[in-house]
Amino acid sequence: SAVISQKPSRDICQRGTSLTIQCQVDSQVTMMFWYRQQPGQSLTLIATANQGSEATYESGFVIDKFPISRPNLTFSTLTVSNMSPEDSSIYLCSVGQGLGTEAFFGQGTRLTVV
Amino acid sequence: QQPVQSPQAVILREGEDAVINCSSSKALYSVHWYRQKHGEAPVFLMILLKGGEQKGHDKISASFNEKKQQSSLYLTASQLSYSGTYFCGTRTTSGTYKYIFGTGTRLKVLA
Repeated sequence: SAVISQKPSRDICQRGTSLTIQCQVDSQVTMMFWYRQQPGQSLTLIATANQGSEATYESGFVIDKFPISRPNLTFSTLTVSNMSPEDSSIYLCSVGQGLGTEAFFGQGTRLTVV
Repeated sequence: QQPVQSPQAVILREGEDAVINCSSSKALYSVHWYRQKHGEAPVFLMILLKGGEQKGHDKISASFNEKKQQSSLYLTASQLSYSGTYFCGTRTTSGTYKYIFGTGTRLKVLA
């Protein structure tokens, strides 16, 4: 099974600033995804992080607000830009090897914007 | 569109059984099931790939009805450790591997 290290685990940020969240996997993985989870809610897919190319964003999420990088098969970052209190949430990275395989989640980043 | 899970919440006594349903408005290619405890990351339980497939381990099993665009999770002889929120994750597009998560079911097992 893949071991995922997600940093930071939590942060409190001022509105208008940006935060970059890192996701490091201990082995090469095919797929990497970023999700957002509001307290007591389900997980919402933000984007698929594509290695060596632009991420694929879901409806309602744009690159200017959530730029994503994936320079190799073990690492990805999600930046939450120009933050507002509405961005307060838990952000999770998820990895998988594709069809028919398990999917794993990082421990999440609990973001509070004040 | 987000798959709908039912029930939204359920309370059980230890040893009782429960069924959690996941219904999609789109055709399903595969379904994942996860359990998430408060303050923790979701933990993968199982994946179902084919229509009509049924899988299980220990006292947790699941079925996948491709025609009805539904999956069900069966928890038998529930234990305290089963408490948490259960999510289905559905793949509805043949060309990608992304999963959309259901609305969630909160399950609490009492001693």
